[in-house]
Amino acid sequence: SYELTQTPSVSVSPGQTARITCSGGALAKQYAYWYQQKPDQAPVVMIYKDNERPSGIPERFSGSSSGTTVTLTISGVQAEDEADYYCQSADSSGTSVVFGGGTKLTVL
Amino acid sequence: EVQLVQSGAEVKKPGESLKISCKGSGYSYNRYWIGWVRQMPGKGLEWMGSIYPGDSGTRYSPSFQGQVTLSVDKSSNTAHVQWNSLKASDTAMYFCATAPWEAPQYFHHWGQGTLVTVSS
Repeated sequence: SYELTQTPSVSVSPGQTARITCSGGALAKQYAYWYQQKPDQAPVVMIYKDNERPSGIPERFSGSSSGTTVTLTISGVQAEDEADYYCQSADSSGTSVVFGGGTKLTVL
Repeated sequence: EVQLVQSGAEVKKPGESLKISCKGSGYSYNRYWIGWVRQMPGKGLEWMGSIYPGDSGTRYSPSFQGQVTLSVDKSSNTAHVQWNSLKASDTAMYFCATAPWEAPQYFHHWGQGTLVTVSS
């Protein structure tokens, strides 16, 4: 079955830039979405359609896509950004939804 | 404002049946897909399946096909997921989320989650 691959963990100091990548063969064809999940909370969408930011999401969050890899970039990381981040997309047919394994962002 | 309110936590025994719910408000029932996502303790997010209330069309993840049943009550804008025979491995947090008709993977609004514990 189709899978999205994420690095399990990323650590950055406050004010630095964090980059979280997600790779999958169908990403060249299907949009990617990024979700933030803090402990004991429901996920929140941070980026949709590769690089669009929903209203209310800080400008320091951005998304990009290149071939079969998508990247979530957090510029000027703040302590409150410490969370798990999941990429999500669909398989090549567009009928099955897939989540990446998640990346734990630690703010040092 | 779109809101999804899920039913409360459940404690069940292996072999029992269960139906949990997700009630939507602030939108028309035929505007969005409702997706269901499992999160086992300490683990990541897994898509279970999605249902479109407009025609009750469903899509299941291969991992959950035959293990759960998705349904919807259009009159109350409430979606359900049902198990006929629970296993201990069904212990997890279950989330529902809305997604636009044209982008069924874009989960833009989420419920608060329902914790299901299956233990003898």
